[in-house]
Amino acid sequence: DGGITQSPKYLFRKEGQNVTLSCEQNLNHDAMYWYRQDPGQGLRLIYYSQIVNDFQKGDIAEGYSVSREKKESFPLTVTSAQKNPTAFYLCASSIKGQGYYNEQFFGPGTRLTVL
Amino acid sequence: AQSVSQHNHHVILSEAASLELGCNYSYGGTVNLFWYVQYPGQHLQLLLKYFSGDPLVKGIKGFEAEFIKSKFSLNLRKPSVQWSDTAEYFCAVNAEGTYKYIFGTGTRLKVLA
Repeated sequence: DGGITQSPKYLFRKEGQNVTLSCEQNLNHDAMYWYRQDPGQGLRLIYYSQIVNDFQKGDIAEGYSVSREKKESFPLTVTSAQKNPTAFYLCASSIKGQGYYNEQFFGPGTRLTVL
Repeated sequence: AQSVSQHNHHVILSEAASLELGCNYSYGGTVNLFWYVQYPGQHLQLLLKYFSGDPLVKGIKGFEAEFIKSKFSLNLRKPSVQWSDTAEYFCAVNAEGTYKYIFGTGTRLKVLA
C-alpha cells in the first residue's frame, strides 16, 4: 500500500533540545516537502527537495534543517534555534509529469509540543 | 513572488445550502491550481486540480471549480453541502516548471445538520 508515513504522531520536547521528525514515502516520487501548519496560517513551506542530496529553503527555514540521502526519506530536524517550534508538521511528496509537477500527497503529520 | 489568498476564513452553512469558496493567486505566468481538503483527524487530500483546458473542473465528492484567468481565481463550489463536508479547505498554486507549491491560509467550513 503506497503512501507517506510520518513518525512519531506526537512528540514532546524540552526547550533547548533538537528533535528529528521522520518522513518516508514508497510512492517513488521525486520531490519531497516539509510544511508547518498553524491555526489560521495555512501551510507554510519549510524545506523542499527535488532530488537526492539537494534541497531548497522554503519560506520559514530558520531553525530547521533537512537531509535527503535517499529518495524515499526526507527527515526534518527542529533545532533549538527555532523560536516557536510547537506546531503540526506535514510531509508531502509529488511526482513530475510532462513539464509540470502533479498534485502533492501528504502524510498524517507529527504534532510537536515544546514543554 | 507567488501568493494565494483565501478570503473566507470561517464559513458556517446549513445542510443543503450551496457553497462557494474563493481563491485568488498572484503570479504572472502559467500556474497549476489545486484544492485540498483536511477532514478532522485525517490527511490532507486532493479535491480537484486545474492545469489547463476546460475552465470548469470536477473533483471528488461532488465538488467543482471554475478557473477565471482574468480574475486569477479558482473558486470551489458545491451545490448542496452535507454535514460530512465539515472540514478545512486549502487552495494551492504551483508555477509551471517549478516544484514549489504555495498554499492559502485555509477556510474552515462547518455544516450544521
